[in-house]
Amino acid sequence: ENVLTQSPGTLSLSPGERATLSCRASQSVSSNWLAWYQQKPGQAPRLLIYGASNRATGIPDRFSGSASGTDFTLSISRLEPEDFAVYYCEQYGGTPPTFGGGTKVEIK
Amino acid sequence: QVQLQESGPGLVKPSETLSLTCTVSGGSISNNYWSWIRQPPGKGLEWIGYIYSSGKTNYNPSLRSRLSMSVDTSKSQFSLNLNSVTAADTAVYYCVRDRQYCSGSSCYRYFDYWGLGTVVTVSS
Repeated sequence: ENVLTQSPGTLSLSPGERATLSCRASQSVSSNWLAWYQQKPGQAPRLLIYGASNRATGIPDRFSGSASGTDFTLSISRLEPEDFAVYYCEQYGGTPPTFGGGTKVEIK
Repeated sequence: QVQLQESGPGLVKPSETLSLTCTVSGGSISNNYWSWIRQPPGKGLEWIGYIYSSGKTNYNPSLRSRLSMSVDTSKSQFSLNLNSVTAADTAVYYCVRDRQYCSGSSCYRYFDYWGLGTVVTVSS
């Protein structure tokens, strides 16, 4: 099983600041099979990024993703009030697909 | 816009079977993969398994011995059965479209449409 480790666990930032979230895979995975999701309290996760760097339909361009080997990054260029949430990375390189433990982006 | 809606009992007794159904609307259930994902209270996400519209299945090895899935394309529904449940199976259960496709030389896999989720509690 490919374990995804997300860091930091919590990120405390102010609106307008840049957020950088990391996700490291324990085994090699194609960047095509790496996705990011946003989850707000009481809601289902929402797809943000697929294929490591492709924004899903309707996702603002302040969200971007990148990959370098087994390290993946989600960046939010300028935090809006609605961006404070938990973010999960997910890999689908085989069975089972797995999720990281999440990074909570909270208001400082 | 594809919409998914989970339905089923919110309370299941230990050792019994958890049964959920997901109804798909706004798009075709055919030629798609459909997954179940769960989230225990205050914890992260766990993939349970998928079923293709043809009935082909793929399960999480950790749950395989207790799990079965089925699909009814005439009703645009797919279902989950998890037997011998314990308190560890208490979670929010989501049905999800499991998007798997190739475009040119690149193949992608991700979960793009999610149901609202249904809370299932295992307790006597």
